[in-house]
Amino acid sequence: DTAVSQTPKYLVTQMGNDKSIKCEQNLGHDTMYWYKQDSKKFLKIMFSYNNKELIINETVPNRFSPKSPDKAHLNLHINSLELGDSAVYFCASSQSRDQPQHFGDGTRLSIL
Amino acid sequence: AQSVTQLGSHVSVSEGALVLLRCNYSSSVPPYLFWYVQYPNQGLQLLLKYTSAATLVKGINGFEAEFKKSETSFHLTKPSAHMSDAAEYFCAVSGTGRRALTFGSGTRLQVQP
Repeated sequence: DTAVSQTPKYLVTQMGNDKSIKCEQNLGHDTMYWYKQDSKKFLKIMFSYNNKELIINETVPNRFSPKSPDKAHLNLHINSLELGDSAVYFCASSQSRDQPQHFGDGTRLSIL
Repeated sequence: AQSVTQLGSHVSVSEGALVLLRCNYSSSVPPYLFWYVQYPNQGLQLLLKYTSAATLVKGINGFEAEFKKSETSFHLTKPSAHMSDAAEYFCAVSGTGRRALTFGSGTRLQVQP
C-alpha cells in the first residue's frame, strides 16, 4: 500500500483555470505538508496542518488554499493559475519533528 | 531561523569511487538533520536521519553521514559509488517548534562508468 498518495500525478492546464490536488496518507501521522519544487529543484514549504489545524502558512499567494477534512487528507486548491505556478507539488506527512517526513510522488503542474 | 547549504550543485564520480556530498547547517537549537534522495520523476526517499543520538549515522544503500557540531556539518558519504546512486540528493533540517523541513538546494550526483 502506498503510504502517501497524491492525485493527479500530472496536471496540464491553461492560465486562469482553477485546479485541485489531493493527498492522502495511511501512516496515521498527525501532520501533513505541501511543498513546492521549482524548475531548479529547490524545495520550499508552503503549508502544514496538524490534526486538521493550519500551523504553517508561508508567504504563498492567497490563490492557494489548503484544506484538511481529516488528519489523513490534505488537499490543495489553486485559483486563477499563473505561469509561475508551474512546478512539482509534493505532499508529505510526519508524526513528530524528530521523525522523517514521508513524501508522495509529486504532482507535476504545467501551465500553458 | 534555520538554513542549509549544500556545496556543489553537481558532483561527478567514477563507479567504485568515494562519494562525498557536503551539507552545512545553521540552527539556533540542536537540529534534526536528514538526507533525502530523489530519483527522476519520483518523490523524496529518506536516506538517513540524525536526531541527537550517535553522531555517525548509517542509512540505506550503504550511505552514512557524520554530524559535526563544531563544524555545523552533516556530510554524506558512501565508500564505493554504484551507477544506481545517480540522483539528486537533498540535505534538510528541522528546528524547534517547526516541523517543516528547510531544504538545501540539492546536489546532483553523476556516476561515470
